[in-house]
Amino acid sequence: EAQVTQNPRYLITVTGKKLTVTCSQNMNHEYMSWYRQDPGLGLRQIYYSMNVEVTDKGDVPEGYKVSRKEKRNFPLILESPSPNQTSLYFCASSLAGGLEAKNIQYFGAGTRLSVL
Amino acid sequence: AQSVTQLDSHVSVSEGTPVLLRCNYSSSYSPSLFWYVQHPNKGLQLLLKYTSAATLVKGINGFEAEFKKSETSFHLTKPSAHMSDAAEYFCVVSDERTYKYIFGTGTRLKVLA
Repeated sequence: EAQVTQNPRYLITVTGKKLTVTCSQNMNHEYMSWYRQDPGLGLRQIYYSMNVEVTDKGDVPEGYKVSRKEKRNFPLILESPSPNQTSLYFCASSLAGGLEAKNIQYFGAGTRLSVL
Repeated sequence: AQSVTQLDSHVSVSEGTPVLLRCNYSSSYSPSLFWYVQHPNKGLQLLLKYTSAATLVKGINGFEAEFKKSETSFHLTKPSAHMSDAAEYFCVVSDERTYKYIFGTGTRLKVLA
């Protein structure tokens, strides 16, 4: 079954404790992306990756890091989480972006993060 | 720069009546436009997309949207609302020059019995 898998689904942590949210897709998609969803703000893009070893900032990258060492995986890293990073996070993938922006994105089920 | 404005944060309709969710966009290049739906505590599902083919786009569950370049709009409609349509709806824009996807702030649709 084609899917985007995020782990964990729920996470409670404390300020400053490094964490990683994993994202994996089994569709051989080139493009992957992370979003955060906050009430009244919709989804905002954090980082995206056009392919292996190619990543770029979205609209709200501060406090986050990503890596794309393999095509299928795109982990989101919070080196020193703060309470303002409490949010619902979604990973997404699509066949390609940019010139192929017409390709639809497939979303993971989401990770609800609380930073105390 | 790209942007998306969803003109209503909340819309309430009675079951069986038409649905209209409004979206205006801004893009310097030929845009791709999408509508996604998010049911409570669920992920996002694509309803439909526009990618410079037919201006009237049909999606799943009876939804459709019309791309109007002169009005820079991409409103979502459905002739007859069903209780199961209650959800949050997001309009999204991207274009061939950028790898970014810009989401609107969402419209929460409530369907009254």
